[in-house]
Amino acid sequence: AQKITQTQPGMFVQEKEAVTLDCTYDTSDPSYGLFWYKQPSSGEMIFLIYQGSYDQQNATEGRYSLNFQKARKSANLVISASQLGDSAMYFCAMREGRWNTDKLIFGTGTRLQVFP
Amino acid sequence: GAVVSQHPSWVICKSGTSVKIECRSLDFQATTMFWYRQFPKQSLMLMATSNEGSKATYEQGVEKDKFLINHASLTLSTLTVTSAHPEDSSFYICSARGPLAKNIQYFGAGTRLSVL
Repeated sequence: AQKITQTQPGMFVQEKEAVTLDCTYDTSDPSYGLFWYKQPSSGEMIFLIYQGSYDQQNATEGRYSLNFQKARKSANLVISASQLGDSAMYFCAMREGRWNTDKLIFGTGTRLQVFP
Repeated sequence: GAVVSQHPSWVICKSGTSVKIECRSLDFQATTMFWYRQFPKQSLMLMATSNEGSKATYEQGVEKDKFLINHASLTLSTLTVTSAHPEDSSFYICSARGPLAKNIQYFGAGTRLSVL
C-alpha cells in the first residue's frame, strides 16, 4: 500500500485565489511527521511546512497552512493568495516513528500552475 | 534557514568514468545527510543515509559499490557514481537534517547527471 498518496497530478489556480493540494497517508505508528516541499523547475526542494502527529493545532507558515485531519489521515496543503511564483511541483512526505527517525517517504507530487 | 549547497549542478561524463557530487551544509552541522535519486516526472527515492564518521546505510536495491558515499566531516558528504553508465543518468539530490528537533530535511539544488 502507498504510504503517501497525492491524487492530483496537476492543479490550476488563478492568481490571488486559494488552492488546496491533497495528501493522504498511511501509518500505524502513533508518532509521525508530515512535510510539504516545493520543487520549482530548477530542481531544488524547498521546505514549506511541517506537522507533527501530536501537534494540537494545524501548522501555518505565511501563506501556507496545513489542514491536518488525523482521523481521516489527511494533510492537505492550503496556499492562500496564489502567486505566479507558486507554480511548481509540490510533494507531501512523511517521517514515521519518533523524532530521531530520519527517513522520509515522498508522494508522487502535484504540479501546480498559477495563471494570471 | 538552513542552507545546503550541492555541487556540481550539472555534469556530463563518458560511460565508464566516475563522477563525484558534493553536498555541504553551509550554516549548520549535519551529522546525517541523505542522497536521493529522482527520475523525470517522478518522486524522490532515497538511496542512502549518510552518517558522519560511519558507513552509509543503503536502501534495498541500491548498489553500494556503484554509489560510494563518504561523510568525513559534519558539513560535507560526497556521492561518487563509479563506472557510470547511461542508466545512471538521473537527477541526484542531497539533503541534510536540520539543527532543530523536528527533523526537517533541507535540500541542495540537485545534480543532473548525463552519462554518454
